[in-house]
Amino acid sequence: GENVEQHPSTLSVQEGDSAVIKCTYSDSASNYFPWYKQELGKGPQLIIDIRSNVGEKKDQRIAVTLNKTAKHFSLHITETQPEDSAVYFCAASNSFGNEKLTFGTGTRLTIIP
Amino acid sequence: DGGITQSPKYLFRKEGQNVTLSCEQNLNHDAMYWYRQDPGQGLRLIYYSQIVNDFQKGDIAEGYSVSREKKESFPLTVTSAQKNPTAFYLCASSMAREDSPLHFGNGTRLTVT
Repeated sequence: GENVEQHPSTLSVQEGDSAVIKCTYSDSASNYFPWYKQELGKGPQLIIDIRSNVGEKKDQRIAVTLNKTAKHFSLHITETQPEDSAVYFCAASNSFGNEKLTFGTGTRLTIIP
Repeated sequence: DGGITQSPKYLFRKEGQNVTLSCEQNLNHDAMYWYRQDPGQGLRLIYYSQIVNDFQKGDIAEGYSVSREKKESFPLTVTSAQKNPTAFYLCASSMAREDSPLHFGNGTRLTVT
């Protein structure tokens, strides 16, 4: 089955700097890669996703890049703000159903004011 | 406001007792899911249901049971057979279509002593 590795497990950046979180996946048939943000005491929330027919997707300060050859994808957050502090999870799926999603182990991002 | 309600937020039980976690959604979603979240691990799928009166085992179903008698409700029972039940449990829902993201509740933290 699919295996998703996520790095780093913790990340601290100065407010205003950029943050990058990386994930690798094992199943070359995977074609859907969402990123979820989990704030303290809450459930995860989808922030951006990308499909395998696209190499990059951007939404304001957040972007995701996908390298299918190397089987890795990354989350980029620019101009970080205190409200970006949270745990971020990547996931991968080779199927249309959410039940096929395999999640990474999470990255705790701390923005230092 | 539409959303997913999990109750209670914190739950304490003695070892050997069964316990039921509640999950209700008013998003009119067809599919519902239960995940388990442990420190340093990704979200792991316990059970999912794509339609009323039908549900499927996920990756770690042993020691758990579910029912789906109503579209809005998907309760999870943690039985005494679950070897390590202390964890954070997340319920989610989605539309039954390819591009529908997961919508999560705020979770229930279960402690068994």
